[in-house]
Amino acid sequence: DAGITQSPRHKVTETGTPVTLRCHQTENHRYMYWYRQDPGHGLRLIHYSYGVKDTDKGEVSDGYSVSRSKTEDFLLTLESATSSQTSVYFCAIRGQGFEQFFGPGTRLTVL
Amino acid sequence: AQRVTQPEKLLSVFKGAPVELKCNYSYSGSPELFWYVQYSRQRLQLLLRHISRESIKGFTADLNKGETSFHLKKPFAQEEDSAMYYCALSGGTSYGKLTFGQGTILTVHP
Repeated sequence: DAGITQSPRHKVTETGTPVTLRCHQTENHRYMYWYRQDPGHGLRLIHYSYGVKDTDKGEVSDGYSVSRSKTEDFLLTLESATSSQTSVYFCAIRGQGFEQFFGPGTRLTVL
Repeated sequence: AQRVTQPEKLLSVFKGAPVELKCNYSYSGSPELFWYVQYSRQRLQLLLRHISRESIKGFTADLNKGETSFHLKKPFAQEEDSAMYYCALSGGTSYGKLTFGQGTILTVHP
């Protein structure tokens, strides 16, 4: 499992509230990624990080922000949650090559 | 721009039958391609990478640059192969971003 954990695993929240998801890795990987998984869309990249305090936008970054103050933690924040952000969120790290290894996912429901 | 297309959303076969999950890509350079598998409500697991030319759980995939395809094949499907399968492409940049296809749900019937 490449030492990747995500918290919380499930969350239900209301429209307009801020939400922060955490990804934690134990193997000192430099590159980390946040994806969302939706039926018919596969996985889409939200944001990624290539080092502490180094982050950039992915394909579907609107409404999301990230922070990485330590190598092991990559946080995803929904600034004001909307129903369209109901999804399963996966964190990933990059391995030795270009393959990625994924966390267990967070199932988020925005009511 | 890079793009991955998996033309089949659903694929059903019977146990013991051959299975092929299609993946086509669009990329101007030399891509690195992967297949991932996701069993029900679990994390994605790396199944194959084209550069290693390995066979995992009986699955193989060959990169065909002429047809820009990376189809996943297994000669005799098993019920435990039922899962979602994603094809993914890396353009080889230093950031290592992956582009995923929409996924194919494989169901193997007894």
